[in-house]
Amino acid sequence: GAGVSQTPSNKVTEKGKYVELRCDPISGHTALYWYRQSLGQGPEFLIYFQGTGAADDSGLPNDRFFAVRPEGSVSTLKIQRTERGDSAVYLCASSLIDTDTQYFGPGTRLTVL
Amino acid sequence: AQSVSQHNHHVILSEAASLELGCNYSYGGTVNLFWYVQYPGQHLQLLLKYFSGDPLVKGIKGFEAEFIKSKFSFNLRKPSVQWSDTAEYFCAVTTPNNNDMRFGAGTRLTVKP
Repeated sequence: GAGVSQTPSNKVTEKGKYVELRCDPISGHTALYWYRQSLGQGPEFLIYFQGTGAADDSGLPNDRFFAVRPEGSVSTLKIQRTERGDSAVYLCASSLIDTDTQYFGPGTRLTVL
Repeated sequence: AQSVSQHNHHVILSEAASLELGCNYSYGGTVNLFWYVQYPGQHLQLLLKYFSGDPLVKGIKGFEAEFIKSKFSFNLRKPSVQWSDTAEYFCAVTTPNNNDMRFGAGTRLTVKP
């Protein structure tokens, strides 16, 4: 079946701009996760949704980052006033229930110039 | 908070050599343990996981891992590597009450043909 999909695959933006990154989880998966992976590092947790609500947003680095999942399926990660340090690969994962194995999407590579 | 250490940053082996990649975690309670693999240009894929039961876990492509609770370790092994095993390998941990997956920094495996 279809896996987790993310769009765009690549995003180049200028410092100070606003960006949105989209994640389509596996159909039927209630839990959705966002991670950020910098070069040479493992993925770093950002936020977790159970259904429509953010159950844990403790990994968001600051208030420029927020994410929504209004209908409990697709999620959008939004970054305001982007900075060069935001450059990374942003990964999305989903799982059937919140204690199950997480399946990852291909990621969006964000480059802030 | 739990952390995950992967001791080897880059491992280079010849085909047919045996592989062992180290993973240690810091959390003292019940843990769920995972190994993910990322082949060049592809997304993270689950190799194997341990939730409970037999501490020797077998995964896909001939990989296995052993959970040793007393050593807080979950090392990945394969008796005979192939060129196609060239990839980045990530160890990860969750706990039953905490959904954010903590990853190690990853180990890059290069298998020479």
